[in-house]
Amino acid sequence: GQQVMQIPQYQHVQEGEDFTTYCNSSTTLSNIQWYKQRPGGHPVFLIQLVKSGEVKKQKRLTFQFGEAKKNSSLHITATQTTDVGTYFCAVPVNYGGSQGNLIFGKGTKLSVKP
Amino acid sequence: EADIYQTPRYLVIGTGKKITLECSQTMGHDKMYWYQQDPGMELHLIHYSYGVNSTEKGDLSSESTVSRIRTEHFPLTLESARPSHTSQYLCASSPGAAFYGYTFGSGTRLTVV
Repeated sequence: GQQVMQIPQYQHVQEGEDFTTYCNSSTTLSNIQWYKQRPGGHPVFLIQLVKSGEVKKQKRLTFQFGEAKKNSSLHITATQTTDVGTYFCAVPVNYGGSQGNLIFGKGTKLSVKP
Repeated sequence: EADIYQTPRYLVIGTGKKITLECSQTMGHDKMYWYQQDPGMELHLIHYSYGVNSTEKGDLSSESTVSRIRTEHFPLTLESARPSHTSQYLCASSPGAAFYGYTFGSGTRLTVV
C-alpha cells in the first residue's frame, strides 16, 4: 500500500545550527504538504508544494519537492528556540474511496538547546 | 483566530461513561476529520466525512462513532469510555480535494480513569 516515510524521528540541535527533515513516498505525488505542531498544540499548515523541483521559502524555512515528485525536504537555517516542535509531511491518498484524504508522516520532533 | 472549535479542551472521566467530543467549524468546509494522537506521536485517522450524512471509518480502528447532520458540526461519541481511550483527539476540516491544507482544532485531551 501507499507509504510515506519521514526521517529522522528525532533531532536535537544547538541553537543556531541548521536542521533538515526528509519525507519519502513509495509513489509519485501530486503534491505534498508540511505542518508544524508545537508542544501541547495542534498541527498548523505551513505550505504545499505541487511542481517538480519546486523550492519555496518562508523566512528561515526552505521547502523542496524532488524532481521525481517522490520526496521532499524541510530545511531550517540557524534554528531558534521558537522552532521547537514536531514537523509532519502529508501526502494525498491516491487510491480507493479515501482518495483525496491526506496520509501524514510520523513526524520529526525537533528540540533546540539554547 | 481559530475557525474550528473543539470542546471540551480537557476532560477527565470515569470508566464506562458516555462522552461526546464536540467539533464545529465556521468555514463551510465539506470535509471533516477526527484524528487520535498520543503526545508528540503520529496522527491516526479514526473517522472522516465528506459532507452531510456522510461518515467513514479511518485507518485506525476505533470504538467511537461520529455523525454529520450539519455541515459545520462533526461530533465524536464514545458510548463507554475505557482507560485505553486516553489520548488527544484532534478535529480537522478542509474545503475539498487534497490540494487544500487542513485546519486543525486545538484538540481535546481525554483522560479516562
